Formats: sequence, C-alpha cells, structure tokens
Amino acid sequence: TQLLEQSPQFLSIQEGENLTVYCNSSSVFSSLQWYRQEPGEGPVLLVTVVTGGEVKKLKRLTFQFGDARKDSSLHITAAQPGDTGLYLCAGARWGNKLVFGAGTILRVKS
Amino acid sequence: DTEVTQTPKHLVMGMTNKKSLKCEQHMGHRAMYWYKQKAKKPPELMFVYSYEKLSINESVPSRFSPECPNSSLLNLHLHALQPEDSALYLCASSQEVAARPKNIQYFGAGTRLSVL
Repeated sequence: TQLLEQSPQFLSIQEGENLTVYCNSSSVFSSLQWYRQEPGEGPVLLVTVVTGGEVKKLKRLTFQFGDARKDSSLHITAAQPGDTGLYLCAGARWGNKLVFGAGTILRVKS
Repeated sequence: DTEVTQTPKHLVMGMTNKKSLKCEQHMGHRAMYWYKQKAKKPPELMFVYSYEKLSINESVPSRFSPECPNSSLLNLHLHALQPEDSALYLCASSQEVAARPKNIQYFGAGTRLSVL
C-alpha cells in the first residue's frame, strides 16, 4: 500500500514555466522531507517541513505543508534546465522509517 | 557538513563473488540506513541501525548482510547475489531514528552495483 501519493509521475516543460508537485496521504506525518536526485547520485535534501501550514522558500522553490500534516506541495517558479531531476517527497512517521512517494521525474527543456 | 561517503562508487560482481559496500559519516549521527533503489523509483529501505544495533530488517534476503563496526561506519556484505539485485545502493544517516527533527536523513551518493 502506497501511503504517500505523489503526482505527477512525469513532467516535461519548457524553461521559464511554473510547475507544482503534490504529495498526499491519509496519514499524518511528524515531518516531511523533499529531496532532489540526479541520475547516478544520491538524493539531496532540499527542505524539511515540520509545522502544519508551514511554507518554506528556497530561491525559486516554494514548499508547503498542509494544515493537517497529511500533504505537501513543491512549486517551482520559472523552471531552469538545472532543475531537471527526480523529486522525492518522504514523510516521517513518529519513531519510524521514512515513507517515500513514488517520485516525480522533471525534465526542463531549454 | 552533511556528508555521507560511500565506496566504491561502482561495483561489478559475479554471482559467486563476495564483496562489501562501505559507508562512513562523521556527523555524530547514531542512526544509519541501507536502501536499494531501482532506476526512476524511490529508495526501498533494507536495514536500519540505531546506536550500532540492528533495529529494522525489511525481510531482506540473507545474501545481504549488514554490519555496523562503530557509530561512524556501516558495511553491507554481499554474497551469491542474483542479477535482479543490480541497483543503486544508498546509505543514509540521521541523528537518531525517532524524534523530529533528529530523524532527518542525509544520503550518500550511492554505489552502482551490477551483478553479472
């Protein structure tokens, strides 16, 4: 059973466009991490959101944690080719392991 | 510094070989993890060590044998692997297993394993 539904699975856009990736669950998480991974490399932590309703910004990336701590979104403004990669959300359950979403493969064309 | 170092970066082995993957962190983290990742899929948890003791084994076949010699090192011993075991093997660490934000995991670059 996939506890964290991530969408879309694939996204191919032109440079300069905006996009949003969603992670949804029926379960509550103590925190949620967003990672970006390039081929042949390990996931790199982008942000951790902890508080319900929290919004964090990292340059052109905006992360939001739902009020009930069950969902999160990643919005990228004016995407660049360097944003290309696999984006993973991962929810942390209390005292337990990470639950990963299926991932979003993003390709930004110049 | 949030560096987790994995060696080797690439490994090719036959089904009768014995090899080991190594992972090292010097962040003082007391929880370390092994994951297996297939192409374009999320990582799948294999093992969790907490304070150098194995706390989670996700029903991994015995041909994979983890070892945590000390709080900074994590090994994964491989023996009699199958071609379907070919994947990217990732190591991660966190301050602790539980209690946010100490359970934030930082990943190494991985070992790309090919079993022939």
